[in-house]
Amino acid sequence: QVQLQESGPGLVKPSGTLSLTCAVSGGSISSTNWWSWVRQPPGKGLEWIGEIYHIGNTNQNPSLKSRVTISVDKSKNHFSLQLRSVTAADTAVYYCARAGYCSGGSCYRFFDYWGQGTLVTVSS
Amino acid sequence: EIVLTQSPGTLSLSPGERATLSCRASQSVSSNYLAWYQQKPGQAPSLLIYGASSRATGIPDRFSGSGSGTDFTLTISRLEPEDFAVFYCQQYGSSPITFGQGTRLEIK
Repeated sequence: QVQLQESGPGLVKPSGTLSLTCAVSGGSISSTNWWSWVRQPPGKGLEWIGEIYHIGNTNQNPSLKSRVTISVDKSKNHFSLQLRSVTAADTAVYYCARAGYCSGGSCYRFFDYWGQGTLVTVSS
Repeated sequence: EIVLTQSPGTLSLSPGERATLSCRASQSVSSNYLAWYQQKPGQAPSLLIYGASSRATGIPDRFSGSGSGTDFTLTISRLEPEDFAVFYCQQYGSSPITFGQGTRLEIK
């Protein structure tokens, strides 16, 4: 059973950088899956932030692309998110998730495993 | 990007009743790459349906998905008390991945 666990500071100052890590257990981050970050502002809906494949390929939501870096550390079986120049609008529960699977050259990016989520508040 | 519009915003029903939730896309969803999730308070979303109509592992058969192109439906045939939650659709046929705004299913 794959499990994901987010970790990182729960409070970030405005204009600072939000940094989170997602530890993957029960499976290898080098499997044929993409690994994503999704966020949810309090009381609101879900927003996809971006994804990474274990060889380092990344995709980001254009709405956040200029501020987002996603990286992977295969030796630690985890992947990370950095979001720069944060404002109060970036306050949200941040989830990491596994995106389905890839097969025959196609990837099916529905999210079958999720972390429990971590609330990050942007405030001075 | 593909905008997903879910309706209704809130659905009030009683246990045992049938629920029909709609998800409409601003343009055709490639290969019907449409998923549905259930989210209970304080929890992460949980996958119900992928590929518009395939149930995820362990999902009861009272949950079913249908539709194609721009119009998709999630049906819960007979509501159980544990089904009341917020439901989201998600398209993964085009980048960026997008979600609908959610439908809240509440007990009448």
